Order: sequence, then structure tokens, then C-alpha cells
Amino acid sequence: GQSLEQPSEVTAVEGAIVQINCTYQTSGFYGLSWYQQHDGGAPTFLSYNALDGLEETGRFSSFLSRSDSYGYLLLQELQMKDSASYFCAVRSDTGRRALTFGSGTRLQVQP
Amino acid sequence: DGGITQSPKYLFRKEGQNVTLSCEQNLNHDAMYWYRQDPGQGLRLIYYSQIVNDFQKGDIAEGYSVSREKKESFPLTVTSAQKNPTAFYLCASSEDGSGRTDTQYFGPGTRLTVL
Repeated sequence: GQSLEQPSEVTAVEGAIVQINCTYQTSGFYGLSWYQQHDGGAPTFLSYNALDGLEETGRFSSFLSRSDSYGYLLLQELQMKDSASYFCAVRSDTGRRALTFGSGTRLQVQP
Repeated sequence: DGGITQSPKYLFRKEGQNVTLSCEQNLNHDAMYWYRQDPGQGLRLIYYSQIVNDFQKGDIAEGYSVSREKKESFPLTVTSAQKNPTAFYLCASSEDGSGRTDTQYFGPGTRLTVL
């Protein structure tokens, strides 16, 4: 089976930097993805890591360490509109070709 | 514009009734998925389909059924056997489910309430 752990809530102020961690357990590993979901909305894709290291996309970066089964999402220059839930997700390279999502981290950005 | 549509946005049903949620995509994606989301929770996989006329059970398939007769359509039926069906249902698609990123594109969701 597969399981993911991420903090339930994080609070930060506008302009700050915040890191959302994700640890995972899976029988096989193909990659770690991150999705953003605003209240009442649909999740949208943010980033994907298949190899160790940092991937940068504008204000958002994502990091993966396969040996530690660990990744994080880094959000810089926080804006109020970044208040949302953030989900990490893994896909196993064995059997099921579908993502397994974590329970999500609710980010509150304060003025 | 390409995308995924789900209808209806809000749905109310009485206990003991079956109800079907619609999901249509015009992205020409092979793979489609159904997730259930409860308040403050993550997404749990109900069913997924890698290709037309084929689908697989996810983690919480009991009380649900699907069909995939057309590439663009993947309707979900919530049957009376589902003990606690009140939830937010999300449909998603991806290019082929075997691609490098497996980026999933989500529809706007259907909020089902059982009265």
C-alpha cells in the first residue's frame, strides 16, 4: 500500500516563505506531485519531481529526496491568494496507475 | 476551450436512491478518475479507467459503479449500497495514465447531499 504524511495546517504572513513537507511510504515509486486546491474548487497541478533535487516554477519550488522518501513544496513571496490546501501525491511504479493523495496541508496567509 | 465538465454542481438525493454523476472531457485523454473528498480530507480514489471499455476499482469502490463506453465520458453511479454518500465528488483525467508526470486535470466537482 501507499501512505503520505503532511502537516494539517501552516500559517504564514504575506511576503514570507513557507515550506510544506511530505513523507511517503510506497511499495514502488514513480514520482511526487503537488496540487493546490482553493476552498470549494478543484485541485490544480503545481509541480512534479521524479528525480532528486529541486524543481522551480516561478514562486513555487518542489524538492525530492528519494532515499529519504521525502519531499517539500516551497512557496516564496507569499500572497493572500496562496491561501489554499496543498496536497502531495505519489504514483507507484507497480500495479495501479493512479495517484494516491495525502490528506492535505491548509495554508493560511495573513496580512 | 478544452477541459473537464461535471454536472450537476449540487445534487440532493433521498436515502435509498441511486444517482449518476456526469463527467465529460474534451482533452482527448485516455485515462479518467473519480475521487471522493470529505470535509478537511484528502482525495480518495473510487474508480479509474486507463482506456475505453476498461476500468479498475480504487480504494473505496464499494457502493459505486462506473462505465467507460466512450473516451470522453466516465459517469459515476452512487448506489443505495453506499452507506455514507454525502461528499464532494471530483472527476479527473490524464493523458494516458502511464506518462511521466501523470498530471491530472480536474473538473469543478459535484457536491452530493443525501437527505
